[in-house]
Amino acid sequence: KAGVTQTPRYLIKTRGQQVTLSCSPISGHRSVSWYQQTPGQGLQFLFEYFSETQRNKGNFPGRFSGRQFSNSRSEMNVSTLELGDSALYLCASSLASSGSYEQYFGPGTRLTVT
Amino acid sequence: GQSLEQPSEVTAVEGAIVQINCTYQTSGFYGLSWYQQHDGGAPTFLSYNALDGLEETGRFSSFLSRSDSYGYLLLQELQMKDSASYFCAVTSASKIIFGSGTRLSIRP
Repeated sequence: KAGVTQTPRYLIKTRGQQVTLSCSPISGHRSVSWYQQTPGQGLQFLFEYFSETQRNKGNFPGRFSGRQFSNSRSEMNVSTLELGDSALYLCASSLASSGSYEQYFGPGTRLTVT
Repeated sequence: GQSLEQPSEVTAVEGAIVQINCTYQTSGFYGLSWYQQHDGGAPTFLSYNALDGLEETGRFSSFLSRSDSYGYLLLQELQMKDSASYFCAVTSASKIIFGSGTRLSIRP
């Protein structure tokens, strides 16, 4: 069974631009969560989608948004990029909805904002 | 609100035993899980405790005390490949929240 895939793996953007990241979950998984990881900050929860509906949202500004498609693939968008948005963005999929303890992570997208 | 505390760094010797502690504050607690992340890699699931006590999986064990809001991950017979970051995570009905991670360094 294929794992979670994320594209692109690396991205360099300029302040003020916007970016869209993509995540394909494991086949059969309907929940997709997004996390931001920066050195020393652990995994900061962004949002979770289940069956195309946003179930939970973390404490991030409205510049961060996401969506999920009928095939469970998910996209995350960040508008008006800031230098502080430079991070590793991870998505994770799971069988169950909110609160699933076993999440399968993708390799991440390394975003650098200059 | 929810919060988790775990040490930022731990150093141990190859072949030894190390314990990584995690204390948490949360409402609607379901369980405590642990994830391992090697440098440049994705976090991978290690274990989950919903009930008090010790769960053993090979060289790794995880413990939970719900009354103390405390858990730990125990790694035995440490190998160099165990050098990684370890995250505890609290699961509630609606979400999973991760700690900031403990970086485990192993010396030969």
